[in-house]
Amino acid sequence: DVVMTQTPVSLSVSLGGQVSISCRSSQSLVHNNGNTYLSWYLQKPGQSPQLLIYKVSNRFSGISDRFSGSGSGTDFTLKISRVEPDDLGVYYCGQGTQYPPTFGGGTKLELK
Amino acid sequence: EVQLVESGEGLVQPGSSMKLSCVASGFTFSNYGMNWIRQAPKKGLEWIALIYYDSSSKYYADSVKGRFTISRDNSKNTLYLEMNSLRSEDTAMYYCAKSKTGTLFDYWGQGVMVTVSS
Repeated sequence: DVVMTQTPVSLSVSLGGQVSISCRSSQSLVHNNGNTYLSWYLQKPGQSPQLLIYKVSNRFSGISDRFSGSGSGTDFTLKISRVEPDDLGVYYCGQGTQYPPTFGGGTKLELK
Repeated sequence: EVQLVESGEGLVQPGSSMKLSCVASGFTFSNYGMNWIRQAPKKGLEWIALIYYDSSSKYYADSVKGRFTISRDNSKNTLYLEMNSLRSEDTAMYYCAKSKTGTLFDYWGQGVMVTVSS
């Protein structure tokens, strides 16, 4: 299985600040069809996860442009700018290039 | 508005069986693959099963293969997860999730808690 490793495990940020979360995969996430199926999800406290970013850098419907994804191969980054209270929670990266789909361990974003 | 509503939550003994349901609305259910994903208490996410839009293919995580069965009824807009030979390590919140494409999960239900304990 593809192992997804996220760093850091937790992150403290001031409102209005900027943060980056790293996600590294144990194998390249480039599919045979040329696409890279790396996604980012946010699980707010007491809620189910929601899709933020798919195929590395595509924002899902309704997601603010304060969220941006980048990376290639095995190294990926989620950046959140101008952090707002509603951004707090646990962020997960996930891969869908190889079966079974797997997720990183999560990064908890908290207020400083 | 896409809605996925799971049901079937409960406490069961090890070795027993349980069936979860997920009723979908707000999209054409019969056009999309559907998944079950679980989250053990205070843990991360684990994908456990996918069923194609027409039930032609089903995939399972090794941890549940041979014990869990995913199915769907497109006439009822409903996804199911039949769980047999339950173990304590199956204790988790179970989410149904819609596939945007393949294993990209664009909408998730609110989840149901399954507790396996004697």
